[in-house]
Amino acid sequence: AQTVTQSQPEMSVQEAETVTLSCTYDTSESNYYLFWYKQPPSRQMILVIRQEAYKQQNATENRFSVNFQKAAKSFSLKISDSQLGDTAMYFCAFMKSDTGNQFYFGTGTSLTVIP
Amino acid sequence: DVKVTQSSRYLVKRTGEKVFLECVQDMDHENMFWYRQDPGLGLRLIYFSYDVKMKEKGDIPEGYSVSREKKERFSLILESASTNQTSMYLCASNPGTTDTQYFGPGTRLTVL
Repeated sequence: AQTVTQSQPEMSVQEAETVTLSCTYDTSESNYYLFWYKQPPSRQMILVIRQEAYKQQNATENRFSVNFQKAAKSFSLKISDSQLGDTAMYFCAFMKSDTGNQFYFGTGTSLTVIP
Repeated sequence: DVKVTQSSRYLVKRTGEKVFLECVQDMDHENMFWYRQDPGLGLRLIYFSYDVKMKEKGDIPEGYSVSREKKERFSLILESASTNQTSMYLCASNPGTTDTQYFGPGTRLTVL
């Protein structure tokens, strides 16, 4: 069975600073996908960034980047130049590539950006 | 843009009532999902469907059933609502094996 662990229930960061959210996972699969989702207060969950396990290069989307360490089964999200709109719940998720229809989510990290 | 809609944002029901939560997606996606979101527990999969009239149990199917009569619509049914089913319910869809999931806005259900 796959498990996803987010060990930081809550975090805060000053506006314009950088913050890193941690995520570890456990799997015996060799090929899979990892995701970070963002859920702003009272708003829809949206994809932030995704990483294919077979790719060594870390994914980047504007101010969001990941540090993917496959051997350590670690997938952290770095948010640079934090903005007030980054305040949200962030979920790490794992998907087995051979199903495409089962995702495993962590328990989430609530991030507050302080003005 | 993919659009996933849910029939209600907020719903209040009484214990023992039959409750229907509906989800519709407009992008011809094969897969549809129902999750329950609770603080400290993250998202837990209740049921998913990979085709019309097909369904698979997720991690917490007890007390729930689902229906998928048309490709774009996936309904979650609480046969006899109980107070421990008070939660946020999220619907999602995706087109295939390697794509992300697209989420609806959620339904916050309160069972009194």
